[in-house]
Amino acid sequence: QQPVQSPQAVILREGEDAVINCSSSKALYSVHWYRQKHGEAPVFLMILLKGGEQKGHEKISASFNEKKQQSSLYLTASQLSYSGTYFCGTSNNNDMRFGAGTRLTVKP
Amino acid sequence: NAGVTQTPKFQVLKTGQSMTLQCAQDMNHEYMSWYRQDPGMGLRLIHYSVGAGITDQGEVPNGYNVSRSTTEDFPLRLLSAAPSQTSVYFCASRRTGANSNQPQHFGDGTRLSIL
Repeated sequence: QQPVQSPQAVILREGEDAVINCSSSKALYSVHWYRQKHGEAPVFLMILLKGGEQKGHEKISASFNEKKQQSSLYLTASQLSYSGTYFCGTSNNNDMRFGAGTRLTVKP
Repeated sequence: NAGVTQTPKFQVLKTGQSMTLQCAQDMNHEYMSWYRQDPGMGLRLIHYSVGAGITDQGEVPNGYNVSRSTTEDFPLRLLSAAPSQTSVYFCASRRTGANSNQPQHFGDGTRLSIL
């Protein structure tokens, strides 16, 4: 079953912050986050493995609440280069399913 | 490094035709998978393989076949193309690891249109 992402779309001005949420109805072993630019392949951002774990990539960080079966992606002081569609992927070992994506647009 | 290579990049088919989408990786990854991406639907898993000789179905396997005779290659076959299979297809690979703790590497995609 696919995880559920929210919101579906976000429009920001440069320097603003955003949060993207990902939730699953099934117990999670891990949560992956990817970013896809228009017409390109998804690119890996980070993996979260443990409950409550937080990781960072530039000014992008994420948390994983294993108990609530949720993960959140935090984009701080957004840059134009952050524009794209963000996907979370959840897995029960070998079978990775992705959310429908959150389209993020950063404007000057 | 080439990474994950998909061919062709674009293809137009007529309904009922068959074709094979090619995927090759040079990273010696055990795990390979195929996704289709449709507007508003995200990436949906078609088939995956955890090693040569082993394949399994994902969430949308109907109309597609796969095989894995080598570690490097994981072709996806459309036996009788239908307009509903018009999509962008992505192949991905990763090292195997407990609880999927390895990042996936995606190919550039194949844009397939079926008339």
